[in-house]
Amino acid sequence: DQQVKQNSPSLSVQEGRISILNCDYTNSMFDYFLWYKKYPAEGPTFLISISSIKDKNEDGRFTVFLNKSAKHLSLHIVPSQPGDSAVYFCAADDSGGYQKVTFGTGTKLQVIP
Amino acid sequence: GAGVSQSPSNKVTEKGKDVELRCDPISGHTALYWYRQRLGQGLEFLIYFQGNSAPDKSGLPSDRFSAERTGESVSTLTIQRTQQEDSAVYLCASSLGRGGFKNEQFFGPGTRLTVL
Repeated sequence: DQQVKQNSPSLSVQEGRISILNCDYTNSMFDYFLWYKKYPAEGPTFLISISSIKDKNEDGRFTVFLNKSAKHLSLHIVPSQPGDSAVYFCAADDSGGYQKVTFGTGTKLQVIP
Repeated sequence: GAGVSQSPSNKVTEKGKDVELRCDPISGHTALYWYRQRLGQGLEFLIYFQGNSAPDKSGLPSDRFSAERTGESVSTLTIQRTQQEDSAVYLCASSLGRGGFKNEQFFGPGTRLTVL
């Protein structure tokens, strides 16, 4: 039962363009969402998060959008840079701490120079 | 230590042998997770420790897998009678605690296990 889904295993984008990575969840108890970035041979690193009281959170080139009614979130990277090439994982949690953090399967982003 | 450390970084073993993987979390982090990532696949949850609560073992794939944690410090993941399908990168993560921003996890570099 995959409660957090990233349906696109890979994505290629030209440098300077926008990258949009998508994530869907099924558990309505999730109210806190995180994105992680993973380079080869390294552990994932935290990128950005959003609470369900917001519908948008921005940090530099990275913006996460949350659509609670659709149980959908997306990560926008603008402008995309070659150093952004990595695997991006979406994760979901409930702020009450009753669920463990659940990760999606990841999307491999390639930014083409 | 500034981050989560794991040892060994690489482990090659023969099928049927037991292996032990170690994780040192960030000091003060009450929550500790183990994940594995097989080649070309996503993060697979294995086990979760939170403070003194009973661990959530729901992700352990078989009874060959077990993990322990001493208080809120070091954790070891043990795989008995290893099989080739156990080959993967085993990742450990720690976080401040339970819920919301406290669950922003800090990952170690992983242990790459190869079972021949």
